[in-house]
Formats: sequence, C-alpha cells, structure tokens
Amino acid sequence: DSGVTQTPKHLITATGQRVTLRCSPRSGDLSVYWYQQSLDQGLQFLIQYYNGEERAKGNILERFSAQQFPDLHSELNLSSLELGDSALYFCASSLRATRVQETQYFGPGTRLLVL
Amino acid sequence: AQSVTQLDSHVSVSEGTPVLLRCNYSSSYSPSLFWYVQHPNKGLQLLLKYTSAATLVKGINGFEAEFKKSETSFHLTKPSAHMSDAAEYFCVVRDSGTYKYIFGTGTRLKVLA
Repeated sequence: DSGVTQTPKHLITATGQRVTLRCSPRSGDLSVYWYQQSLDQGLQFLIQYYNGEERAKGNILERFSAQQFPDLHSELNLSSLELGDSALYFCASSLRATRVQETQYFGPGTRLLVL
Repeated sequence: AQSVTQLDSHVSVSEGTPVLLRCNYSSSYSPSLFWYVQHPNKGLQLLLKYTSAATLVKGINGFEAEFKKSETSFHLTKPSAHMSDAAEYFCVVRDSGTYKYIFGTGTRLKVLA
C-alpha cells in the first residue's frame, strides 16, 4: 500500500458527461501528479500541483482541469467526455517537487469507462 | 528532451531462469531513472531507482539494474524468475525541468511454469 488513495475505483458514464476523480496524497507529501494510462497512448503525464499551485502541465486536454486544495487532496475534473477518454487515471504524490531523484508513489487508479 | 525506450514489448521466461528487461534512455543531463511494476488491475509499485550514487542498483523482490552511461542503458535483471513476477514493467526517466515522469511503453513479462 503506497499511502495514496484514489476514489472512486471505477466510474462508468456517458459521452458528454462530467466526472470528478479524487486523490489523497501520502501524509506529508506536498506534490500531486496526475497520469492517464490508455491502450493507445500508454502512460502519460497530465498535470502536477505543488502545495496548492499548478507546477507543470503535460498532455492535458482543455476539457480537463485539476486543482489541489488546502488539505492537499487533489481533484481531476473531466468534462464533455468522449469515448477516447476511457482510461485508467493515476494519481501520484511526492514529498516535494524540487529534487529530480525524488520518488513518486502511485495510487491504485480510477478506471473510467465512457459509453 | 529526455526519453526512454523499452526494447521489448513482451518477454517470456521459464520459472527459475534469469530475467532481462531492456531499457535505453536519452538525456542531456545525468538522469534519474526508475523501474516500476504494474500487476494486473493494480497500481504502480517502485522496484528501484538510480540517482547517481551507485551504478548497480538493488531493488525489491530480487531485482537489480545497472546504469551504463556508455551504452545509455538501464536494464532490469533478476537471477531467477518467480511466477509472481508476471506483470508489466515500466522504465521511467524523470524530467529534470518539470520533474514529471516520462514512461517507456512497458514490457509485459510472462513466466512459464
């Protein structure tokens, strides 16, 4: 158990809908990362937050947004969902974001299925 | 730009025989490299990481990896495969600018009885 929790585990929704994925980092970790794992794109970095502020952006669509709250949990909002958004979404956390050798600890993921 | 290339998408070994999963990296800087394992329907677990302290890195469950700068490689090995090693393995380089992880395409390891 990495100490990173994600809810829900599974989510089934329809095209055009909006969903929110939640992540709680390990106790004491300030940095949260979101990744998407799909069959065609593999594992891709979406976005990173550090202590409530956006730190880095990856291949995140404009329909997607995220935020990190004062208690350090993070939410990833996916809107106007398309079939291609079906994927496994991982959250990871690390203590800081300032050391390149720092380890990221991954949650179990949220599996999203868009019908 | 940094990247990793996993040279094999699938590897099959017999139980008790050695495992070799290959990874080459591309980086302008001294890279931070990681190997993660993903068991079916599970999250990603860190196996080991290279942070320039030692070129031979020992990880969990008997895995180790050797950083070879001259070959730009970071191959993962294990002397004797166990059935429980069947999983997908990802080689990862950490971007020195943004600290995000850049994942390889993964190698699916199958262990035959």
